Order: sequence, then structure tokens, then C-alpha cells
Amino acid sequence: GAVVSQHPSWVICKSGTSVKIECRSLDFQATTMFWYRQFPKQSLMLMATSNEGSKATYEQGVEKDKFLINHASLTLSTLTVTSAHPEDSSFYICSASPTSGRTYEQYFGPGTRLTVT
Amino acid sequence: AQKITQTQPGMFVQEKEAVTLDCTYDTSDQSYGLFWYKQPSSGEMIFLIYQGSYDEQNATEGRYSLNFQKARKSANLVISASQLGDSAMYFCAMEGYDYKLSFGAGTTVTVRA
Repeated sequence: GAVVSQHPSWVICKSGTSVKIECRSLDFQATTMFWYRQFPKQSLMLMATSNEGSKATYEQGVEKDKFLINHASLTLSTLTVTSAHPEDSSFYICSASPTSGRTYEQYFGPGTRLTVT
Repeated sequence: AQKITQTQPGMFVQEKEAVTLDCTYDTSDQSYGLFWYKQPSSGEMIFLIYQGSYDEQNATEGRYSLNFQKARKSANLVISASQLGDSAMYFCAMEGYDYKLSFGAGTTVTVRA
């Protein structure tokens, strides 16, 4: 089946530093990847849509300069949280939509838990 | 804009019994998809079931069935014969024309032995 990985699975960083999170589709190509943010006991909120070879599209209220997204290949998208602050601590989840196949398919990564101290 | 409403924050169900999780939605799209995902404490999102807006029959996947009532804009999930491993957070989600998913607030299900 379609597998999406995320690395790292958890990360602790100091306030003011930057953190990069990778999202990889392991056995399929993904033209589109999505990044979500989830606070404890809350729902997933879409942050941005990442398309291979083009700029990401950010949802309203998401700071594009703070959350840098790069979709350099059909199997890799990265989210960089720049100048992280404690309020950026959250669970970040990516999903990938296969280039081929039924259009409704989205496969989720296992998530990355970010803690900013 | 799309909106998904899950009005049950938490539910308890006895093992081997069935449970229904409510989901209502609002959209102006003519074509859309409805999903249910399970999120255990580990955090991974597990796809359960999908219903297309033009599908005439209710979707079923093993112990999961989706009660789709288009006119009422509802897409309730029924889990039959609950198991202890079903204890998790359940999210209803909608995909619109732009393939973006909008999620409901979620329902926490706790299965009691």
C-alpha cells in the first residue's frame, strides 16, 4: 500500500532556532502534498498545499515566511519552521496525493511532534 | 466555504455493541467527497471509509459503514461490533473541488470491556 513517512517523528528545539520536517512518499509519486497542524485534543488544520515544482499555497492566517515549504521532487516535501517559538509547539502532519489513481486518495504521514523550549 | 460539524465530543460504547458517530456538513460544491479517519493515541491518521457525493449506495468497509443522507447533509459513521482497539479519536472530513480536506472537531470513542 501507499506509505508516507515523516522525519523526524519528534523534535525538541530551542526558541529562535529553525526546524526542518521532511515528508516522503515511499512507494508512489505525489504531485501534491498537504501540511496540517494539530494541537492537543483538537482537529487538523490545513496549513498549506505543496505542489511539486511550484510555490506552496498557504491557508489564510498561516505565515508563509515562518513556515517555509519546499516540494523539490515528486516524493519529497519539506516544512521548515523558522525562528521557532513555544507557541509553534504542535503536531505537524503531512499527506500526499498520488499523481495517478483515484483523485480522492490522500495518504497521511505518521506526524512530527515539535516542542519548542 | 466548507464546514464539517461533529457534535459529540466523546462517547462510551460497550465492547461488541454498535456505535454511531454523527457528522453534518455544509458546502456549495456540487461534487465532493466525505471521509472518516481514525486517530489513535499514536497520532497516525487511519483512513476508514469514503463516500462520494454522487454515490447512490452507502459506503461500507468491513465493520464500518457510512450512513449518507445527502438531502440532510449528513454522513454518519457506524462502527459495528466495537472492539477495544476501536478506542480513538474519529474525524469526519470533506474534500471539495480543490482536493483540500476540511476536518470536523472529532469525536473521542472509548470502548469499555
